[in-house]
Amino acid sequence: DQQVKQNSPSLSVQEGRISILNCDYTNSMFDYFLWYKKYPAEGPTFLISISSIKDKNEDGRFTVFLNKSAKHLSLHIVPSQPGDSAVYFCAASLTSGTYKYIFGTGTRLKVLA
Amino acid sequence: DTGVSQDPRHKITKRGQNVTFRCDPISEHNRLYWYRQTLGQGPEFLTYFQNEAQLEKSRLLSDRFSAERPKGSFSTLEIQRTEQGDSAMYLCASSLRQYNEQFFGPGTRLTVL
Repeated sequence: DQQVKQNSPSLSVQEGRISILNCDYTNSMFDYFLWYKKYPAEGPTFLISISSIKDKNEDGRFTVFLNKSAKHLSLHIVPSQPGDSAVYFCAASLTSGTYKYIFGTGTRLKVLA
Repeated sequence: DTGVSQDPRHKITKRGQNVTFRCDPISEHNRLYWYRQTLGQGPEFLTYFQNEAQLEKSRLLSDRFSAERPKGSFSTLEIQRTEQGDSAMYLCASSLRQYNEQFFGPGTRLTVL
């Protein structure tokens, strides 16, 4: 039972354009969501997060949008840069209990120069 | 460097052998997590420690797996009688109790021949 889904395994975007990565979840109890970036041979690196009490959080070129009614979140990267090329994972958690993460399967982003 | 460290980075073993991995969390982080990532998947939760107490174990953690966190500092993950299906990247993460963001180590890649 995949509680967090990233249905696009890969995405290619031209440098300078917007990258939009999508994530869907099934458990309405999740109340905290995060995006991580992962380069080969490294552990995931925290990018941005959002609480379920918000619908948008912005940090520089990165913005996360949350649509609770649709159980959907997205990560926007504007403008995209070649250094953004990596695998992006969305994760969901409950802020009660252990705070363990449930990860999606990842989207490989390639930003073309 | 004050990030999460893991040792070894790579481990190749023969089926049936025992292996042990070590994780050193960020100093003063009281929460410690182990995840496992296989090819094409996102990290999957294995177990969670708050200080020295192991508070949750995933059903993925069979009786061949054991984890400890003596004195609430570093942690070890041992796999007994390894099987080829245990081949994966084993990730450790730590966080402070009052924050939700987890910081991941570089992982230990296990290959069981």
